[in-house]
Amino acid sequence: DAGVIQSPRHEVTEMGQEVTLRCKPISGHNSLFWYRQTMMRGLELLIYFNNNVPIDDSGMPEDRFSAKMPNASFSTLKIQPSEPRDSAVYFCASRRRPLEETQYFGPGTRLLVL
Amino acid sequence: QKEVEQDPGPLSVPEGAIVSLNCTYSNSAFQYFMWYRQYSRKGPELLMYTYSSGNKEDGRFTAQVDKSSKYISLFIRDSQPSDSATYLCAMRDTGRRALTFGSGTRLQVQP
Repeated sequence: DAGVIQSPRHEVTEMGQEVTLRCKPISGHNSLFWYRQTMMRGLELLIYFNNNVPIDDSGMPEDRFSAKMPNASFSTLKIQPSEPRDSAVYFCASRRRPLEETQYFGPGTRLLVL
Repeated sequence: QKEVEQDPGPLSVPEGAIVSLNCTYSNSAFQYFMWYRQYSRKGPELLMYTYSSGNKEDGRFTAQVDKSSKYISLFIRDSQPSDSATYLCAMRDTGRRALTFGSGTRLQVQP
């Protein structure tokens, strides 16, 4: 299996621009998570989906952030408009079943907002 | 105060040393405890998982949970340079499926 796939791996953009991060979970996995990692705040959960339905979005910082999962094999995290404080590494992770503990993380997208 | 506290390190040890990594937490509802390892510029990967209190051993790694003290530990025996990474503790309660992570401890094992 290819593992969790994220794109792009690196993104540099200017403040105010729209940013879209993409994730393809492991085939057959039913849960998908979006995390953000910074030096100051560590790894924070933004949102997670079970069977393509958002279950907990309490970690989404504000209305500028939105996430979708139109089908079991694809999810997007969008930031519009982006701000310098959004600079971080964004990870996507998937899990086979809700009752399993192991989350498989992708390689992350390094976002820099200038 | 954060729900999960973890010393950020860095922790530098010689090859072959025993390493002790620790987390404290404040939420008494946490029942599931995990340790993730994250190499530089990679995503975290699950290393150990324990439920409630007790010990669990896997090769050179031992995870301990002391719920009465709200304290968890990861011990690495005979540490190797390949163990150099950031170690993140993570935990959750029975109701919420999402994890709360510590900030991570950076470990450097010197050859």
